[in-house]
Amino acid sequence: AQKITQTQPGMFVQEKEAVTLDCTYDTSDPSYGLFWYKQPSSGEMIFLIYQGSYDQQNATEGRYSLNFQKARKSANLVISASQLGDSAMYFCAMSLDTGRRALTFGSGTRLQVQP
Amino acid sequence: DVKVTQSSRYLVKRTGEKVFLECVQDMDHENMFWYRQDPGLGLRLIYFSYDVKMKEKGDIPEGYSVSREKKERFSLILESASTNQTSMYLCASSLSPRTSGSVVETQYFGPGTRLLVL
Repeated sequence: AQKITQTQPGMFVQEKEAVTLDCTYDTSDPSYGLFWYKQPSSGEMIFLIYQGSYDQQNATEGRYSLNFQKARKSANLVISASQLGDSAMYFCAMSLDTGRRALTFGSGTRLQVQP
Repeated sequence: DVKVTQSSRYLVKRTGEKVFLECVQDMDHENMFWYRQDPGLGLRLIYFSYDVKMKEKGDIPEGYSVSREKKERFSLILESASTNQTSMYLCASSLSPRTSGSVVETQYFGPGTRLLVL
């Protein structure tokens, strides 16, 4: 079974600075996808970025980038130039290429951006 | 843009009531999922569906059932609501990799329903 570990329950960052949120995963399946979602206090789960296990380059989406280190089984999210609106819970998640394809989530990191 | 809607943002029900949570997506996605989210327990899969009239149990199906009569709509039913079903319920949808050709497909979530059972 797959597992996602997020070891940072909470993080603080100053506005306009960059921040890295850690995520490690465990699976024996060679084909999988890794995702990051943002959940503001309103509760909606917002998709941010995706990395496939066979992708050679790190994914980027605007201010978000995913630092994918396959050998270390890590998929850290980097947010550049933090904004006050980035304050939220952030979840790392994984889906396999086989089986039921549902997401397995980590426990989340609460990010607070300070002015 | 993908749009997933849920019938209610907040719902208050009494113990023993039958509760219907509706989820609709407008992107012709084959796959639909129901999760619940609880503090300290994270997100857990209740049920999912790969196609119309098809359903599969997730990790915590007890006390729930689902219905998928149309491709765009996936309903979660609490047959007899209990206080331990007080939770945040999140619906999601995705394309099938058979359709997209990708390894895995992104799941898009609705706004969630906060259910309180008294």
